[in-house]
Amino acid sequence: GAVVSQHPSRVICKSGTSVKIECRSLDFQATTMFWYRQFPKQSLMLMATSNEGSKATYEQGVEKDKFLINHASLTLSTLTVTSAHPEDSSFYICSARGLAGALYEQYFGPGTRLTVT
Amino acid sequence: AQTVTQSQPEMSVQEAETVTLSCTYDTSESDYYLFWYKQPPSRQMILVIRQEAYKQQNATENRFSVNFQKAAKSFSLKISDSQLGDAAMYFCAYGQGGKLIFGQGTELSVKP
Repeated sequence: GAVVSQHPSRVICKSGTSVKIECRSLDFQATTMFWYRQFPKQSLMLMATSNEGSKATYEQGVEKDKFLINHASLTLSTLTVTSAHPEDSSFYICSARGLAGALYEQYFGPGTRLTVT
Repeated sequence: AQTVTQSQPEMSVQEAETVTLSCTYDTSESDYYLFWYKQPPSRQMILVIRQEAYKQQNATENRFSVNFQKAAKSFSLKISDSQLGDAAMYFCAYGQGGKLIFGQGTELSVKP
């Protein structure tokens, strides 16, 4: 089956620094990737949708200058949390949809736990 | 805006028994998809079952089945012959325009 990886799986950074999270589709080409945020014991909240080669579309309330998303190739999307603060600590999950995939055929990565100290 | 509501934060079932998880949603659209996802302690999201709104027949995947009531905007998940490995967070999700909107989740525990 289709596999999506995320790197790193866990990251700790100091307040004020930036951190980059990678999302890779390992065995398929992903035209669209989605970034979600999940707080403990809570739901997944869609942050943004990125299509390869174009700017990401952010959901209402998500700061595009804080959460920079780049989808430069058909197998890689990155989320950069800029000037991170403790309230940005969360679990970040990406998902990917393939070239030939059905509209809702999303494959999820294993997630990245971000802790900002 | 579309919303998805799961009113049961926690549920418990005895091994081998049947349990039903509830989900309601709000939409003015007629063409959409509904999903149940499982998130075990590993946090990896796993698709359990999918239902297209235009199909009247309820979807079934082995021990998992749904009761889709379009007029009532209800989409419940029935797990039969529950197994210890079914213990997880279960999320109901609404899909439209390629996006997924998730409910708050139900934490299912399975007692041996």
